[in-house]
Amino acid sequence: AQSVTQLGSHVSVSEGALVLLRCNYSSSVPPYLFWYVQYPNQGLQLLLKYTTGATLVKGINGFEAEFKKSETSFHLTKPSAHMSDAAEYFCAVSASLFNKFYFGSGTKLNVKP
Amino acid sequence: NAGVTQTPKFRVLKTGQSMTLLCAQDMNHEYMYWYRQDPGMGLRLIHYSVGEGTTAKGEVPDGYNVSRLKKQNFLLGLESAAPSQTSVYFCASSTPGLREGSSYNEQFFGPGTRLTVL
Repeated sequence: AQSVTQLGSHVSVSEGALVLLRCNYSSSVPPYLFWYVQYPNQGLQLLLKYTTGATLVKGINGFEAEFKKSETSFHLTKPSAHMSDAAEYFCAVSASLFNKFYFGSGTKLNVKP
Repeated sequence: NAGVTQTPKFRVLKTGQSMTLLCAQDMNHEYMYWYRQDPGMGLRLIHYSVGEGTTAKGEVPDGYNVSRLKKQNFLLGLESAAPSQTSVYFCASSTPGLREGSSYNEQFFGPGTRLTVL
């Protein structure tokens, strides 16, 4: 069975500060991991994904995430937050037939000026 | 290339009414999915389809039916709406991996349908 836990339903940072959004997964098979971003009243947009190979994955808008198998984690980071990063972020795992995704409950990022 | 589109964008129903949500994709994707999004619960899979004429249950299928008569369309039906079905509904599509059944391809999402059941 697969599941995803996102610690912190709300995270608030100052503009220019480090962004760290946490994601831990549970999977009985090697997982494929994704981060999506959702801006208000919009659909989900892919930020980045880990499938195989390099464990540090770079995505759009300056975000990156590191797959740590020993910690079953896939935390999302960005060195310097921008006001436009304010959105809700979802971590997802796909480790099943037919590309079924299991999503975390989401983390809302607030960026203060 | 419109990607994934959903119709309608908003809808208000009374308890017991029925409706159909339409999802269309123009990327020739084999797989399509319906999710519901509720505050604090992320997205939960309702039903999915791995090809024209096939459907399967997801995590929360009760109260919903689906059909995939054409590869590009995936319909979600509510036969008798209940207030518990008030939610935002998202459709998504993806391709299979290089090996049939592999699971590494991203899903592409539509803009969502906001449904309120009174």
